[in-house]
Amino acid sequence: QKEVEQNSGPLSVPEGAIASLNCTYSDRGSQSFFWYRQYSGKSPELIMFIYSNGDKEDGRFTAQLNKASQYVSLLIRDSQPSDSATYLCAVSNTDKLIFGTGTRLQVFP
Amino acid sequence: KAGVTQTPRYLIKTRGQQVTLSCSPISGHRSVSWYQQTPGQGLQFLFEYFSETQRNKGNFPGRFSGRQFSNSRSEMNVSTLELGDSALYLCATSPRGGDTQYFGPGTRLTVL
Repeated sequence: QKEVEQNSGPLSVPEGAIASLNCTYSDRGSQSFFWYRQYSGKSPELIMFIYSNGDKEDGRFTAQLNKASQYVSLLIRDSQPSDSATYLCAVSNTDKLIFGTGTRLQVFP
Repeated sequence: KAGVTQTPRYLIKTRGQQVTLSCSPISGHRSVSWYQQTPGQGLQFLFEYFSETQRNKGNFPGRFSGRQFSNSRSEMNVSTLELGDSALYLCATSPRGGDTQYFGPGTRLTVL
């Protein structure tokens, strides 16, 4: 079992829809969870982090964490074509981050 | 604060050569992690340095090595280059490791 798992996609959603990206992790002791966005040929950039169970909202982005189910998700409301990218989930394991392989999101007009 | 810088941004080498890549962290960041990313692949963790010591290591051959200096700048070296080493090499820095990482722009290495 991989430490951090994501569906590779692509996830295709129409412009204006809600995109839902999911991530599961294996280490119950994980404390911090991160979402990064990576455009093709560019380096990953941090979108959000979440530490506590529940939802955390930042503009069009909402991160959701459920530690009991070992599940973290990212919702993107009012998806735009500019949101088309690969989204990486990362989980903190003591002194390092473990990255998933990413989900490719395609938003079509 | 200045961001993470990586030099050079692009590099072309031939098989059998060696290469050194450099990463300068954000001021105050003591942890530097290196990743390899090939087309269509996720981030492959190479190693992490903290306070001049290699603290974590991924599953790469010994041709890949690194070091960190007292000012937290880090270098990685790849010896005896192979065609499969062509990739985007990313460094990411954080204050302690295990917390938010900030990525540099990457070095794109092409091995011919």
